[in-house]
Amino acid sequence: DTEVTQTPKHLVMGMTNKKSLKCEQHMGHRAMYWYKQKAKKPPELMFVYSYEKLSINESVPSRFSPECPNSSLLNLHLHALQPEDSALYLCASSQLTGGQETQYFGPGTRLLVL
Amino acid sequence: QKEVEQNSGPLSVPEGAIASLNCTYSDRVSQSFFWYRQYSGKSPELIMSIYSNGDKEDGRFTAQLNKASQYVSLLIRDSQPSDSATYLCAVNDYKLSFGAGTTVTVRA
Repeated sequence: DTEVTQTPKHLVMGMTNKKSLKCEQHMGHRAMYWYKQKAKKPPELMFVYSYEKLSINESVPSRFSPECPNSSLLNLHLHALQPEDSALYLCASSQLTGGQETQYFGPGTRLLVL
Repeated sequence: QKEVEQNSGPLSVPEGAIASLNCTYSDRVSQSFFWYRQYSGKSPELIMSIYSNGDKEDGRFTAQLNKASQYVSLLIRDSQPSDSATYLCAVNDYKLSFGAGTTVTVRA
């Protein structure tokens, strides 16, 4: 089973709203990732958590705040977003094997900021 | 700056033909290489991973890796309309770096 789940599937929010995206995996993977993908572009890495600790932040604006409550869950808290933040937000997970990690993606949350 | 480059698309092939996708990467120390398929509006789906030089076959898909030439390719044999998608080459070092993707259309 290589399933990563994400909720919600779709989200529409105003620029003053606060919302959260959720991601869950039960594969025992110890690395989890957030990506942002704009139309006709490849995914762009935002954050990496390894063993529930933030290991990579790709200079993401502070209006995006990740959280990893435990080894199975990953959240992305959103606040004061801009219309240009509208995109597909992808969560992925992988085992940590020292260089041969295979990342499995969830179905994504399609976010529209009005 | 690590770079992953894919042959520009779109690539249109007739049903039953072989689709050939190419990818080059700039970082010599990269160890693992992946091909993801992404249907329009969906998330990337892993179809192949390859770590050693040579060929790796899985059904109608064959990945080829040449680390000396920093080149990885994907062949899709007996292409089907369901193979119409964007194919993303990805190279893993400390993070996964993606190419821009090649859109493949299989004509019935």
